Parts: sequence; structure tokens; C-alpha cells
Amino acid sequence: KAGVTQTPRYLIKTRGQQVTLSCSPISGHRSVSWYQQTPGQGLQFLFEYFSETQRNKGNFPGRFSGRQFSNSRSEMNVSTLELGDSALYLCASSPRTMGNTEAFFGQGTRLTVV
Amino acid sequence: AQSVTQPDIHITVSEGASLELRCNYSYGATPYLFWYVQSPGQGLQLLLKYFSGDTLVQGIKGFEAEFKRSQSSFNLRKPSVHWSDAAEYFCAVASTGTASKLTFGTGTRLQVTL
Repeated sequence: KAGVTQTPRYLIKTRGQQVTLSCSPISGHRSVSWYQQTPGQGLQFLFEYFSETQRNKGNFPGRFSGRQFSNSRSEMNVSTLELGDSALYLCASSPRTMGNTEAFFGQGTRLTVV
Repeated sequence: AQSVTQPDIHITVSEGASLELRCNYSYGATPYLFWYVQSPGQGLQLLLKYFSGDTLVQGIKGFEAEFKRSQSSFNLRKPSVHWSDAAEYFCAVASTGTASKLTFGTGTRLQVTL
């Protein structure tokens, strides 16, 4: 079974621009979560989508948004980029959103804002 | 709110020596607990998980962890460390209602000397 695929792996953007990151979950998994990893704040939960609906949201500004498609693929968008948005963005897929479930992570997208 | 504490930021062990990484959690009910490992620039790989039942859980790569409710701990152990185990290790907690939303500790970086 193929794992979680995130594209692109690396991205360089300029302050003020917007960016879209993509995540393809493991086949059959309907839950996709996004995390931001930075040296200062560590791993922080952004949001989770299940069956095209946002189920949980972390404490991030509205510039961070996401969506999920009918095939469970998910995209994350960051608008009006700031230098502090430079981070490794990780996507995780799970078969369920509740109960005994585990999250499988992709390799991440390294976003650098200059 | 749930939280995870990993008191050791950095640990150095000799190859062949035993390892114990500490993890303490704060959560009102019985949590779901996980250990992940991350190599530089890579995503997170699940080592093991605890949902319920036997408090000693076995994982991949020879790792095990013990859930101790009285101490709110979920320490990771390995009897004999290999040089390839050098990486960063993250403990995470989730609730039954939002099992795919993980709260991570700050991580412990493991260095292995030959």
C-alpha cells in the first residue's frame, strides 16, 4: 500500500504570497490532518478533515485554511505569507477520526518564506 | 486541555546500551498514547501505540513502552541501542473523541556514540 504523499517536498515563497500544499492519504483513509513543525513551537495541530468536512481546528489564524476532496485528498492553503510561516508542514492520514485509530505521516513539505 | 511533557531534550547513549525516554501526559480520562520517531528532514514514523489493555506495548525496531496510569507516564525503552536509532523521538497523546488530533511533546533528540 502506498504511504501518505505530500507535494511539493520543498517550496520557497516571498512574504505576502500565498501557497497551496497537497496531501494524498493512504488508500481507504478518510481522515487527513495537518501539522506545522517549527524549531520554536514544535509540532502543532492545524486542522483535520474527514469526509470533506473540517472536524477539528487548531489555534492558527484564518490565513491557514484547508479542504478535502471526495477522493480524500486534501490541500492546505496559507495566504499572505509571513516569515514565521517557514516550517515543515506534515500531513497525516487515518482510517477514522474517532476510536482506536493511528495517524500515518507523510514526508512533509518544507516551506521557506523569504 | 491535554498536554505532553518530554523532560529530556537531548540524550546520548553508547551503542549497545539500554535506553529509556521519558514521557508524561496530562489528560482527564484514559488517553491514547503514541511514540513517533523522526529522522532529519523526514516525516514521523509510528513506533508504537497504546489504546487500552496490556500496559506494556511492543513496537517496531525492538522498542517497547509501558503505560503507568498512576504516574501519568508512557516511557519508551529499548534494551540495546543501535547507531541507526539516532533520531528525534516524539511522544503524543490523543483523546478517544478526537483520536486523529495529536498533541505532541517537544521531542527528545537521541545521539548514539560508537
